Amino acid sequence: DSGVTQTPKHLITATGQRVTLRCSPRSGDLSVYWYQQSLDQGLQFLIQYYNGEERAKGNILERFSAQQFPDLHSELNLSSLELGDSALYFCASSQGTGRYNEQFFGPGTRLTVL
Amino acid sequence: DQQVKQNSPSLSVQEGRISILNCDYTNSMFDYFLWYKKYPAEGPTFLISISSIKDKNEDGRFTVFLNKSAKHLSLHIVPSQPGDSAVYFCAASLNTGNQFYFGTGTSLTVIP
Repeated sequence: DSGVTQTPKHLITATGQRVTLRCSPRSGDLSVYWYQQSLDQGLQFLIQYYNGEERAKGNILERFSAQQFPDLHSELNLSSLELGDSALYFCASSQGTGRYNEQFFGPGTRLTVL
Repeated sequence: DQQVKQNSPSLSVQEGRISILNCDYTNSMFDYFLWYKKYPAEGPTFLISISSIKDKNEDGRFTVFLNKSAKHLSLHIVPSQPGDSAVYFCAASLNTGNQFYFGTGTSLTVIP
C-alpha cells in the first residue's frame, strides 16, 4: 500500500459526460501528479500540483482540468468525454516538487467511456 | 511520439536465471532514468534510478545499465524470482523539468 488513495476504482460513463476523479496523497506529501495510461500506451504525464499550485503541465487536453485543494487532495475533471478517453488514470504523490523526489502511485481509476 | 520505447511487450525467464529488460530513448537530452515495477491492480512502484553521469547502478538483485551513445538502458535482475513477475516500465526525464516520459512496459514472467 503506497498510502495514495484514489476514488472511484472504476467508472463507467457515456460519451459527452463529465466525471471527477479524486486523489488523496500520502500524509506529508505536497506534490500530486496525474497520469493517463491508455491501452498499449505508457503512462502519459498530465499535470502536477505542488501545495495547491500548478507546477508542470504535460499533454493534458483542454477538456481536462485539475486542482489541488488546501487539504492537499486533488481532483481531475474530465469533460465532454470521448471513447478515446477510456484509460487508467493514476495519481502519484511526492514530498517535494523536483524530479528526484520519489513518486508514490495510487492504484488508479479505470475509466470506461461507452 | 513515443520518446521512450520498450520494444519487448513480454519476457519469460526461469527462476534463478537472469532477466534483462531493455529500454531505448530518442531524446539525447534525457539525463535521469527510472525503472518502475507494477503488479496487477496496483500502481507502479519505484525500483531503481540512474543519472547520466553514471553507466551503472546496483541495488541488491537489480542493476541498471546506461549506454548514452546508444541511447539504451537495461535492467538486469539476478537471480530472478517468481515474485519479480510484474510489468516493468522505464521512464526518463530532462533536467529542465519534472515531467517523466514512460515506456509502454514489459511484462516479465518468472517461471518456477
